[in-house]
Amino acid sequence: EDQVTQSPEALRLQEGESSSLNCSYTVSGLRGLFWYRQDPGKGPEFLFTLYSAGEEKEKERLKATLTKKESFLHITAPKPEDSATYLCAGMKTSYDKVIFGPGTSLSVIP
Amino acid sequence: NAGVTQTPKFQVLKTGQSMTLQCAQDMNHEYMSWYRQDPGMGLRLIHYSVGAGITDQGEVPNGYNVSRSTTEDFPLRLLSAAPSQTSVYFCASFDRGSEAFFGQGTRLTVV
Repeated sequence: EDQVTQSPEALRLQEGESSSLNCSYTVSGLRGLFWYRQDPGKGPEFLFTLYSAGEEKEKERLKATLTKKESFLHITAPKPEDSATYLCAGMKTSYDKVIFGPGTSLSVIP
Repeated sequence: NAGVTQTPKFQVLKTGQSMTLQCAQDMNHEYMSWYRQDPGMGLRLIHYSVGAGITDQGEVPNGYNVSRSTTEDFPLRLLSAAPSQTSVYFCASFDRGSEAFFGQGTRLTVV
């Protein structure tokens, strides 16, 4: 069965305290791995797509990496405005389905 | 460019009532999906479509119907609302192999 899991469920960081979020996936025929950010009361907002093991993508304080079984979202020197839920999702090679993990709720305290 | 538009934003239904959640996209995307989001469970796929006239079931399809008569529109119908369908519903559209774009969601409460 296709599955995407994320850990931790919630993470509380002090401003400037770097950390990583984990996404583990067992998706048969994975075409791409997505990271999204979701603010309360809003729809998910796209951050990154990773297609192959070893690939890395960066945007401001965020860097996403991909291995054959996991993806990590590294947050360097976070700020309070980085507080959100971060969702990981896998797209199958059939392209028709995107399977989401449960998300990690990140709180960055000033 | 409006992207993905969902209506209504909020809705309260009584058990047994039916309703349609509307979703429209203006990006000419082939693929559209409906998800529900519940606390601690992430986004679960209800139904999806790979083009006009083609739909299929996702992970949690029971109690919901969809149709796709045009590329732009993908309505979700609740046949007989139940309290278990209280959730936030998101519609998404995407091109083959690209990221999904989401609407702002419909918060549905069934009493």
